[in-house]
Amino acid sequence: DAKTTQPPSMDCAEGRAANLPCNHSTISGNEYVYWYRQIHSQGPQYIIHGLKNNETNEMASLIITEDRKSSTLILPHATLRDTAVYYCIVRVDNQGGKLIFGQGTELSVKP
Amino acid sequence: NAGVTQTPKFQVLKTGQSMTLQCAQDMNHEYMSWYRQDPGMGLRLIHYSVGAGITDQGEVPNGYNVSRSTTEDFPLRLLSAAPSQTSVYFCASSVYRGSEAFFGQGTRLTVV
Repeated sequence: DAKTTQPPSMDCAEGRAANLPCNHSTISGNEYVYWYRQIHSQGPQYIIHGLKNNETNEMASLIITEDRKSSTLILPHATLRDTAVYYCIVRVDNQGGKLIFGQGTELSVKP
Repeated sequence: NAGVTQTPKFQVLKTGQSMTLQCAQDMNHEYMSWYRQDPGMGLRLIHYSVGAGITDQGEVPNGYNVSRSTTEDFPLRLLSAAPSQTSVYFCASSVYRGSEAFFGQGTRLTVV
């Protein structure tokens, strides 16, 4: 699985959009980009995933660059409850739940 | 719906003791896995299973054994606990070719 690089921490004002970047320059054509988050040492929670098209669900949007070497997770209106560590993971989709976590980005949403 | 259930939530062991961390899921998922998380770090994969009777090693398998006799259960065994195994352990399950892994709430293990 390709490696990912994320900033260790970010701040965001409550109500503003949070944009979390991820670099995955060695991604292969059959590898998907996944995002999970972990709130205060709870079990990680799935957010969204995509292959090459931009994706949106009720939680977030995922923007993948055309060359697929980087992506951005967007939380459109961050709340205090979005304070968490966000993990960007790249893997082949048929690997099921085999996830290789990096260090993630610690997002602090401030009032 | 229970989802993924881990027991116990907390455990203190003495060095050399053995114990089993339990993980059960009620979603009929083929794929189950165990992770450990040390302070300030991301999760690391210990062992995983793609179905009953099939297990494989992850990133950090040493010191741990697993078995998968049923689809629902995936216990993690520590045969001789060491202080280096002090960690938070998470179990997860998913459909084999699925997009989303579901995690339990974790077992906080301290080995003294």
